[in-house]
Amino acid sequence: NAGVTQTPKFQVLKTGQSMTLQCAQDMNHNSMYWYRQDPGMGLRLIYYSASEGTTDKGEVPNGYNVSRLNKREFSLRLESAAPSQTSVYFCASSERGRAEAFFGQGTRLTVV
Amino acid sequence: SQQGEEDPQALSIQEGENATMNCSYKTSINNLQWYRQNSGRGLVHLILIRSNEREKHSGRLRVTLDTSKKSSSLLITASRAADTASYFCATDYSNTGKLIFGQGTTLQVKP
Repeated sequence: NAGVTQTPKFQVLKTGQSMTLQCAQDMNHNSMYWYRQDPGMGLRLIYYSASEGTTDKGEVPNGYNVSRLNKREFSLRLESAAPSQTSVYFCASSERGRAEAFFGQGTRLTVV
Repeated sequence: SQQGEEDPQALSIQEGENATMNCSYKTSINNLQWYRQNSGRGLVHLILIRSNEREKHSGRLRVTLDTSKKSSSLLITASRAADTASYFCATDYSNTGKLIFGQGTTLQVKP
């Protein structure tokens, strides 16, 4: 099983550029999440989706949008990238609330 | 920030020794989870303990939870070089699976 797959693995953007981070899971999970990890900060939740067609903000949603395209896919979009969005982004999924989360391998994004 | 705190931030031990990491959190929780992250990789789930549980074991891992003190500890017994990684606690406070992570403990196990 592939689990949670994120693309791309690495990306360099110029300030003001836009991009979409893709995430897909093959475990038939209802819930999906986007986190960012900054040095010394642990992971912080950007957005989450409890089911297809629903999304909700997390702790740090500003500057991001998300789309739950279907049950498998949950994308994260940066409309106008800023240096403060330089981070490692992780997508995760879980069968339901109160269950363990499965994480992708991460996307390392640098905004210059 | 709602982030929890972990201590120590870094821990270096010899193979065969036990490693203990502590986590404190701020809000009432439904469960607390521990994850491992090898350098440059994603997080891997280790163990989940529910708010009505006090202790849980999984192989060489032992987790305790004290909800009155809002704290948890992870004990890795008979550590191995392969246990070298960062360890994060994460609390689920809303039954939605949204997790609040601590800042992590970096464990180095020397062969």
